[in-house]
Amino acid sequence: AQSVTQLGSHVSVSEGALVLLRCNYSSSVPPYLFWYVQYPNQGLQLLLKYTSAATLVKGINGFEAEFKKSETSFHLTKPSAHMSDAAEYFCARGGSEKLVFGKGMKLTVNP
Amino acid sequence: KAGVTQTPRYLIKTRGQQVTLSCSPISGHRSVSWYQQTPGQGLQFLFEYFSETQRNKGNFPGRFSGRQFSNSRSEMNVSTLELGDSALYLCASSLVLGGTEAFFGQGTRLTVV
Repeated sequence: AQSVTQLGSHVSVSEGALVLLRCNYSSSVPPYLFWYVQYPNQGLQLLLKYTSAATLVKGINGFEAEFKKSETSFHLTKPSAHMSDAAEYFCARGGSEKLVFGKGMKLTVNP
Repeated sequence: KAGVTQTPRYLIKTRGQQVTLSCSPISGHRSVSWYQQTPGQGLQFLFEYFSETQRNKGNFPGRFSGRQFSNSRSEMNVSTLELGDSALYLCASSLVLGGTEAFFGQGTRLTVV
């Protein structure tokens, strides 16, 4: 079955530090890959999407992700964390009948 | 452009009751999907409607149902509520059918007591 893996459930970084959230997909190369962010008691907001046009994808709020077929990965990065980045982040694959989400990663940013 | 609107935002129901949640998609979007989000199971796909027809369905019991109207608005119904139905229910709208870019509403927080 097609799946998305986000190892771990929580990551903590200091303000100004690099943010790296990992995502690996299984099975065949998906047509679409997404990163969503969810703030407490809110819905999911689309950060960025991969649609095979470019392997390095830039999103909102300074985030970007790189698609690596050889590693079946689509990791999310941000050079410098801000307090407002504290939220839960979900990786998802699309192109089949539905979006398939990873378990999510809660990001804490320490002052 | 208005986003996806879900009503109500919060609901408290008693076991055995039924509940109806509403979702208005982004104007022009014809696909509406519903997801259940819980701490233990994460985001789980319930079903997707497109042009008033259910096109895809997740692995949920028949107590969970939905419909879509001609204006693309959608409703989700849960009958005979159980404690385990307590969750955040998210609606997402898309231009086209299937696992494409989806825009989410703020969700309805359902608590079953």
